[in-house]
Amino acid sequence: QLQLQESGPGLVKPSETLSLTCTVSGVSVSSTVYYWGFVRQPPGEGLEWIGSISYSGTTYYNPSLKSRVIISVDMSKNQFSLKLSSVAAADTAVYYCAGRYYDFSSDSWGQGTLVTVSS
Amino acid sequence: QSALTQPRSVSGSPGQSVTISCTGTSSDVGAYNYVSWYQQYPGKAPKLMIYDVSKRPSGVPDRFSGSKSGNTASLTISGLQAEDEADYHCCSYAGSYNWVFGGGTKLTVL
Repeated sequence: QLQLQESGPGLVKPSETLSLTCTVSGVSVSSTVYYWGFVRQPPGEGLEWIGSISYSGTTYYNPSLKSRVIISVDMSKNQFSLKLSSVAAADTAVYYCAGRYYDFSSDSWGQGTLVTVSS
Repeated sequence: QSALTQPRSVSGSPGQSVTISCTGTSSDVGAYNYVSWYQQYPGKAPKLMIYDVSKRPSGVPDRFSGSKSGNTASLTISGLQAEDEADYHCCSYAGSYNWVFGGGTKLTVL
């Protein structure tokens, strides 16, 4: 059974880089039938797709965040990671990692982690 | 890409049917049959309820159905139950491997 768990600092200072790791269990991150990605949700607001990465390491980013985002995979640890640079208060949100089956018929999400941007 | 448009809230009584709309553009909802719907309880992660406009993942009750017309997708919940009270989010493929979500709709069961 696919399970995901986010980890990382809950507080980041403005202008610094937000770094989160998603640990995957039950499926290898090198699986050819899953895409991995991050979604965020500002308090009281809707969901926003941040970006995704395929088993081959190809990345796809939200155009509005593309200049600040890097998603990468660490196959040795069965993890994938998010780096969001130059953060501001507007980046405060619950960040979710997720894995989606290639035909979109199923997906699994982490429990989410609140990241607050504040000095 | 702009967020898809959903009503902020809808409501219905137990046993009734409710429909939640999700309006996009000819570049996302109107262009592809890759619309998904998610159910989210407070403090919890979203759960996939509908994919590919109208398909249900294993385990999702057939009370949940999806459809699309032009640039607008819809989620209909029939035989409303108290446990259906949650936030619902639509999501559409927007081309070039990009995805866009709606702002979310709060469903209240009266």
